[in-house]
Amino acid sequence: NAGVTQTPKFQVLKTGQSMTLQCAQDMNHEYMSWYRQDPGMGLRLIHYSVGAGITDQGEVPNGYNVSRSTTEDFPLRLLSAAPSQTSVYFCASGPGGSYFGPGTRLTVL
Amino acid sequence: AQTVTQSQPEMSVQEAETVTLSCTYDTSESDYYLFWYKQPPSRQMILVIRQEAYKQQNATENRFSVNFQKAAKSFSLKISDSQLGDAAMYFCAYRRNAGGTSYGKLTFGQGTILTVHP
Repeated sequence: NAGVTQTPKFQVLKTGQSMTLQCAQDMNHEYMSWYRQDPGMGLRLIHYSVGAGITDQGEVPNGYNVSRSTTEDFPLRLLSAAPSQTSVYFCASGPGGSYFGPGTRLTVL
Repeated sequence: AQTVTQSQPEMSVQEAETVTLSCTYDTSESDYYLFWYKQPPSRQMILVIRQEAYKQQNATENRFSVNFQKAAKSFSLKISDSQLGDAAMYFCAYRRNAGGTSYGKLTFGQGTILTVHP
């Protein structure tokens, strides 16, 4: 039982590049979500999903896309990275985000 | 919209002493959950304790306990017998308990950095 896994752990992008942050959970949770953590602002919700095929926007969705084709996976896509997206990204799973992944530190130059 | 405020950016405590971290929140809901998360330098988010708004009794988990004042919308965390391993950033968080999509939505405070002195 691996819990919530995220890849990669670190990533550096140039402005305008695209990439996908991967998130997977093996606990059969319906609820999964993505947060970003910025200094002095706590964690803010980007997108969330209540099951395969169902996603919705959180507090800061602009610049990010998600899809949920399986219960296990919930990838977060940055279509055209911007320096403002430099942050630490967390995937969470379970009711109220009971389980968090280890995070991805993303730097956009 | 719900908001969560942690007014103490930093706190410190001596090892074996007790420290209390403050959190206030604003909501028009009556049914909700409150949480405290710990984030050590490893960056991992760890759920420390949770409180359901409809429960009168304050939650306790070993050395961690909360003081939940629903009318005042206050939710403080007390750490007793502080240990060096308690040093971390602590986040207070809120979510509605309305079912459906609300289960996936946490609102976090800004965090409090706790330093434990030997």
